[in-house]
Amino acid sequence: SQELEQSPQSLIVQEGKNLTINCTSSKTLYGLYWYKQKYGEGLIFLMMLQKGGEEKSHEKITAKLDEKKQQSSLHITASQPSHAGIYLCGADIEGSQGNLIFGKGTKLSVKP
Amino acid sequence: DAGITQSPRYKITETGRQVTLMCHQTWSHSYMFWYRQDLGHGLRLIYYSAAADITDKGEVPDGYVVSRSKTENFPLTLESATRSQTSVYFCASSRAESYEQYFGPGTRLTVT
Repeated sequence: SQELEQSPQSLIVQEGKNLTINCTSSKTLYGLYWYKQKYGEGLIFLMMLQKGGEEKSHEKITAKLDEKKQQSSLHITASQPSHAGIYLCGADIEGSQGNLIFGKGTKLSVKP
Repeated sequence: DAGITQSPRYKITETGRQVTLMCHQTWSHSYMFWYRQDLGHGLRLIYYSAAADITDKGEVPDGYVVSRSKTENFPLTLESATRSQTSVYFCASSRAESYEQYFGPGTRLTVT
């Protein structure tokens, strides 16, 4: 959906490097959800952010919500091959009636 | 096993045939959702349900029918399949509005 833009579309990093994926909404954000998808599989829930300035971490993945910018970033520290996959952001935005709108995803490859 | 399951995982059908995709969750979540995932479009909401016997249209409902007679089941029916309905279909559930959604493994449907 154009209402939710992810960048970059794809990313190739060397194992051990840090990386950041962004998700920007064109409308007011009420909640932001990060998911990871491996090829041929369903989406795995990573984190949910609901308040401006909120930051959550799980293992080496950190997500932040900048409410003023209507943007969230997902940062992976010291990437590993297990981090490879497609990262999708989903958001409850103004006009979505509580349903989630999803970005088109960022494909991450990690080279050993 | 607890969780959310979909069946079949793969389906090939002919244009004009009726096909039903099944979704079952064991968490007693109130909300259930059907999405389709296509290259270039990302995830798009087809239908959702807030509770048994309550369903509503999402972004792309045309050509699909849903029902929810029991909390745990949410079947999706393509009444007369068309080639444009070739896609990967995901079912999801959440305990309430504005809570994280948990996704099934998906059904890959090909309409010939």
